[in-house]
Amino acid sequence: DAGVIQSPRHEVTEMGQEVTLRCKPISGHNSLFWYRQTMMRGLELLIYFNNNVPIDDSGMPEDRFSAKMPNASFSTLKIQPSEPRDSAVYFCASRQGVLAKNIQYFGAGTRLSVL
Amino acid sequence: AQKVTQAQTEISVVEKEDVTLDCVYETRDTTYYLFWYKQPPSGELVFLIRRNSFDEQNEISGRYSWNFQKSTSSFNFTITASQVVDSAVYFCALSSGGSQGNLIFGKGTKLSVKP
Repeated sequence: DAGVIQSPRHEVTEMGQEVTLRCKPISGHNSLFWYRQTMMRGLELLIYFNNNVPIDDSGMPEDRFSAKMPNASFSTLKIQPSEPRDSAVYFCASRQGVLAKNIQYFGAGTRLSVL
Repeated sequence: AQKVTQAQTEISVVEKEDVTLDCVYETRDTTYYLFWYKQPPSGELVFLIRRNSFDEQNEISGRYSWNFQKSTSSFNFTITASQVVDSAVYFCALSSGGSQGNLIFGKGTKLSVKP
């Protein structure tokens, strides 16, 4: 079975440009999570969806960040305009069911560099 | 507040040595779940184990073993007879049973196994 698929794997862009990260969760999974990993802050949750509905977006740094899940098999994380401090690895994870006990499976991540 | 502390930032061992990675957690919930993930140099996050708060039995899987002690709020991970392929960053994470629960990650422990 295919795991969580993220694209692109690497993204290099210039400050001020719009960046869109994509995620395809594991088929049949009800919950989807976006995390950001930096050296300073480690792994932190940005937003998560249950059944395509955003549940908690308190981790989204500011209005420049937005996330959507138009259907059960696709989600995007958009940064507009991008800034150098957004450089990080962004992970998408999915989970079967909505309970805390269920395991989150992660994609390979998107390494974003904003110059 | 929930928190996961991995006090060991980096550990270096020689192949075939045993090594224990420490994890201490904080939560006020009586139902919670603990996880370990591995992040090899390639960057993806790989699920290793999940434990619930009502099951304090230790678990062994091949060279890996986990020691869960509620009395000390610890969930430590031991690798026996370490191998170079075990070199990775290992993350401990907590999910609360009282919510629809995202993962709270520790800062990770970087393990280097030298031949």
